[in-house]
Amino acid sequence: GDSVTQMEGPVTLSEEAFLTINCTYTATGYPSLFWYVQYPGEGLQLLLKATKADDKGSNKGFEATYRKETTSFHLEKGSVQVSDSAVYFCALAHQAGTALIFGKGTTLSVSS
Amino acid sequence: KAGVTQTPRYLIKTRGQQVTLSCSPISGHRSVSWYQQTPGQGLQFLFEYFSETQRNKGNFPGRFSGRQFSNSRSEMNVSTLELGDSALYLCASSLGSATQSGNTIYFGEGSWLTVV
Repeated sequence: GDSVTQMEGPVTLSEEAFLTINCTYTATGYPSLFWYVQYPGEGLQLLLKATKADDKGSNKGFEATYRKETTSFHLEKGSVQVSDSAVYFCALAHQAGTALIFGKGTTLSVSS
Repeated sequence: KAGVTQTPRYLIKTRGQQVTLSCSPISGHRSVSWYQQTPGQGLQFLFEYFSETQRNKGNFPGRFSGRQFSNSRSEMNVSTLELGDSALYLCASSLGSATQSGNTIYFGEGSWLTVV
């Protein structure tokens, strides 16, 4: 079945460091790919998405490119801030009527 | 524009009891989905409702059920609660079906259920 695999956390960085959180997926066809972020005590917020191969999603300095050849959707940010500390979830969804399938989540902790 | 609203935010129940959680989607959204989040299993899809009809269902026992009303508000019910049902239950809404390309899925803040 479909699945999403994220790098294990926690990821600990200093402010202004470069961030990469790896995400790979297994799915038939051409799913849409998403990154969601969850701040402590809150629900999920959509960070960015891509709906077809080679699409780049971007928001708030975060970027991710849909790579069909490597089945990956890695999240990157050039300079993290303390306020970016949260749990990040990679997810996929098919157009055919299945729900969001999430990875286990990666905890990011940024210190000043 | 109000977001997805879930009530109650926190609740404690005893094993064997049942619980009903409520979700009000964003105005105009017709699709409501429910997810369970636990430290061990992560985020798992429960079911999706669209225009009062269940469209998709995850791999959960029959103790978990839901419904959607004509105003798109949704409820989920868990009967005969078990300790393992302790979790954050998240509701999400979108304009069309949650899986249609281009639809953005918005999540509520969740209902924290503790079963003792």
